[in-house]
Amino acid sequence: QKEVEQDPGPLSVPEGAIVSLNCTYSNSAFQYFMWYRQYSRKGPELLMYTYSSGNKEDGRFTAQVDKSSKYISLFIRDSQPSDSATYLCAMSVKGQNFVFGPGTRLSVLP
Amino acid sequence: DAGVIQSPRHEVTEMGQEVTLRCKPISGHNSLFWYRQTMMRGLELLIYFNNNVPIDDSGMPEDRFSAKMPNASFSTLKIQPSEPRDSAVYFCASRLGGNQPQHFGDGTRLSIL
Repeated sequence: QKEVEQDPGPLSVPEGAIVSLNCTYSNSAFQYFMWYRQYSRKGPELLMYTYSSGNKEDGRFTAQVDKSSKYISLFIRDSQPSDSATYLCAMSVKGQNFVFGPGTRLSVLP
Repeated sequence: DAGVIQSPRHEVTEMGQEVTLRCKPISGHNSLFWYRQTMMRGLELLIYFNNNVPIDDSGMPEDRFSAKMPNASFSTLKIQPSEPRDSAVYFCASRLGGNQPQHFGDGTRLSIL
């Protein structure tokens, strides 16, 4: 079993849809959880950064962490074609031992 | 604010040649990371530095790979000799320290023929 699992997609949705992206993990020691967005031929760009369990909202983006289920989610409301990218989850223990998921490719169709 | 700057953006060379990738972290950041990204293996951590000192190089594939950070504003990743299986996108990232997240450069796309 990989340490972090993520459905690679591709996931295609119509513009305006709510998008749900998910990762599961096996290491219960992970405390810090991140979501990155990566456009083609660019580096990963930090979207959300959360500590421990709970929700965090930033504009159209909401990150959820459920440590009891070892499951994290990123929701995108009112999705736009500009949201089309690969989304990577990442997690770490006390800021060390960063592990990235393989990424989910998202296409938002106009 | 300037982000992480990597050079070159693209490199094409023949196998056996020495390759040097360069990175300038965000000013004030004290941790620097080198990653390799491929379709098959995703994003893999190669090495990271804290205050210019290598902390974990367990991800470096073999002795052909070496990394240095002579000062807080510059790091290099060197491959000598290069092989076709080294073809990938190499990313550098930096962070402020402690539990802060990493910020990535736009990568060097390396092709070894």
